[in-house]
Amino acid sequence: EDQLMESGGDLVQPGGSLTLSCSGSGFTFSYYWMSWVRQAPGKGLEWVANIRQDGSEKYYLDSVKARFTISRDNAKRSLNLEMNNLRAADTAVYYCAKENPRATFEIWGRGTVVTVSP
Amino acid sequence: QSALTQPRSVAGSPGQSVTISCTGTYSDIGAYNYVSWYQQHPGRAPKLLIYDVKKRPSGGSTRFSGSKSGNTASLTISGLQTGDEADYYCGSFVGTNTVFGGGTTLTVL
Repeated sequence: EDQLMESGGDLVQPGGSLTLSCSGSGFTFSYYWMSWVRQAPGKGLEWVANIRQDGSEKYYLDSVKARFTISRDNAKRSLNLEMNNLRAADTAVYYCAKENPRATFEIWGRGTVVTVSP
Repeated sequence: QSALTQPRSVAGSPGQSVTISCTGTYSDIGAYNYVSWYQQHPGRAPKLLIYDVKKRPSGGSTRFSGSKSGNTASLTISGLQTGDEADYYCGSFVGTNTVFGGGTTLTVL
């Protein structure tokens, strides 16, 4: 069974940094684009970033460009999201998702909570 | 990229059918046949229902169907069940990523 598991969520002060991780199992991790999608409290889904199978292409939501960096380690079947200069507006549940086919979020993790507050 | 437009809420009775619309533009829904739909119960992760406008994932329920006309996509749920009460989101490919709709809350009366 395909599974994703996020970790790393925490309470952080504005301007702080945090790195989220996602571990995949049950499928060949290196075959798929992977994405981060977030959901602010009481709000809808918002795509944040994605990365090509070999890491050669990365795309970001405009509001996180230059602050967030997505990366992957196919040997470790892991996806990461390094978040810097965090803002209150970044407070959300962050989900890791497998794209299959492209731009379709076939499998989701349970999410990890990021809270940005003084 | 602006979010796609969905009604905030819809309602139906058990056994009935309901349709949720998702309106975009010529640059998202109108440009690609890559529309997907997700169901999310409170406190849970989203679940894929429909992709590529009208395809169901393996093992997906046939009570869920999708369609598209111009810049508007639709999700139809037939034979409503109480377990269908949830939030529903549409998504469309926009060249490098996906843009979502604001979500629709389905109430089964």
